[in-house]
Amino acid sequence: GAGVSQSPSNKVTEKGKDVELRCDPISGHTALYWYRQSLGQGLEFLIYFQGNSAPDKSGLPSDRFSAERTGGSVSTLTIQRTQQEDSAVYLCASSLGRLAANEQFFGPGTRLTVL
Amino acid sequence: GQSLEQPSEVTAVEGAIVQINCTYQTSGFYGLSWYQQHDGGAPTFLSYNGLDGLEETGRFSSFLSRSDSYGYLLLQELQMKDSASYFCAVPGGNMLTFGGGTRLMVKP
Repeated sequence: GAGVSQSPSNKVTEKGKDVELRCDPISGHTALYWYRQSLGQGLEFLIYFQGNSAPDKSGLPSDRFSAERTGGSVSTLTIQRTQQEDSAVYLCASSLGRLAANEQFFGPGTRLTVL
Repeated sequence: GQSLEQPSEVTAVEGAIVQINCTYQTSGFYGLSWYQQHDGGAPTFLSYNGLDGLEETGRFSSFLSRSDSYGYLLLQELQMKDSASYFCAVPGGNMLTFGGGTRLMVKP
């Protein structure tokens, strides 16, 4: 596609349930990033992929968070046993490569609400 | 670690010029990026300064002074559609570290 796409756009779930968030990066972009943005706040880095590998998972807030990327393309962020503090907008971005990290292309985000 | 400071809110009138400042503390520095985000929208890339000085792109300019650990985004001939949040960010390692964002409100 022309840009980064994410699905679903909105997700409402009950505390304790698992959720999966999907990201389709721009074709040819080898680097993929996940960020989290709470209301009125800046972006918090979660994880980075280069190809299918995740050399940097330093931003994942707990072991309930995991992510994978397959075929150097689609990525899935999974949150297990969701908590209310997980409520936020989850943004995915891609870039041509790690050295192009200064210019990242963002998707529209998934707004997660944990009741 | 890395941290960036920017004002939380700025208000200006249509047609005016506004400057959004950003100061940073980083363990390694590769440059300063600026992103715009409208309410409910995705952040979009505006500019990148890898070297000291001014970069101009239409109505928007961005400045960097590495010796002062300081940069700014300058918006000229403000339009209502410029009302948005503006984030400075530094690339480092494998990610961008973002400032908290400056909410710009343009009034008629």
